[in-house]
Amino acid sequence: GENVEQHPSTLSVQEGDSAVIKCTYSDSASNYFPWYKQELGKRPQLIIDIRSNVGEKKDQRIAVTLNKTAKHFSLHITETQPEDSAVYFCAASIRADKLIFGTGTRLQVFP
Amino acid sequence: DGGITQSPKYLFRKEGQNVTLSCEQNLNHDAMYWYRQDPGQGLRLIYYSQIVNDFQKGDIAEGYSVSREKKESFPLTVTSAQKNPTAFYLCASSFGQSRDTEAFFGQGTRLTVV
Repeated sequence: GENVEQHPSTLSVQEGDSAVIKCTYSDSASNYFPWYKQELGKRPQLIIDIRSNVGEKKDQRIAVTLNKTAKHFSLHITETQPEDSAVYFCAASIRADKLIFGTGTRLQVFP
Repeated sequence: DGGITQSPKYLFRKEGQNVTLSCEQNLNHDAMYWYRQDPGQGLRLIYYSQIVNDFQKGDIAEGYSVSREKKESFPLTVTSAQKNPTAFYLCASSFGQSRDTEAFFGQGTRLTVV
C-alpha cells in the first residue's frame, strides 16, 4: 500500500539558518505532494504543494523539490524565524482523493 | 474559518460505549477524510469518501464506522471495538479528483476514554 516516510522527526535550528525536511513515498503513481504546518493546538494548514509535472516550487522563504525517479521530495525553509516553529507534515496523493501523511517533523527555531 | 467544522472539541467516553464525532463542511467539497493523530505518529487515515453514499477504509479502519448520506456531512463513530480510542481526531475535505486537491482541516476533536 501507499506509504510516506518523513525525516527527521525533530529538527532544531538557530534563527536565520535553513531547515530541510525530507520525505519518501512508495507508490510511483503519486502525483500530488502537499506540505502542512501545524502549530501547537491548531489544525494543519497547507503551506506549499507541488505536482508531479514540476521539479521545484518556491514561495518566499519556502521551497519544495521533487525527485520522481528517486520518489522523494523535500521542504526547504530559508532564513528561519521563531514563528516557523511547528510540526510539519508531508503528504502524497494518488488520484487526488486519498492523502497519505508522513509522521511529522517538529521544527524548533531558537532565537 | 475554513468552512469545515468538527464537534465537539472535547469528548469523554466510558469504556464500552460508542460515540459519534461530527464533521460538517460548506465548501462544496466532494472528498472528505478522517484522520487520527497520536503523538509521534503523524496523521493516520481512518476512512475517506470521494462522493456521497460511498466511502473506503484507510489504514486503521478497525473499530470505526462512517456514513456519507449528505455531501456536507461525514460523521465518524468510534465503536467499543476500538481498543485504544483516546486520540485527537481530525476531519478534512477537498475537491478531490475534480479540482485542486488542497485539503482543509477542521479544528479537531480530542476524545478521551474514562
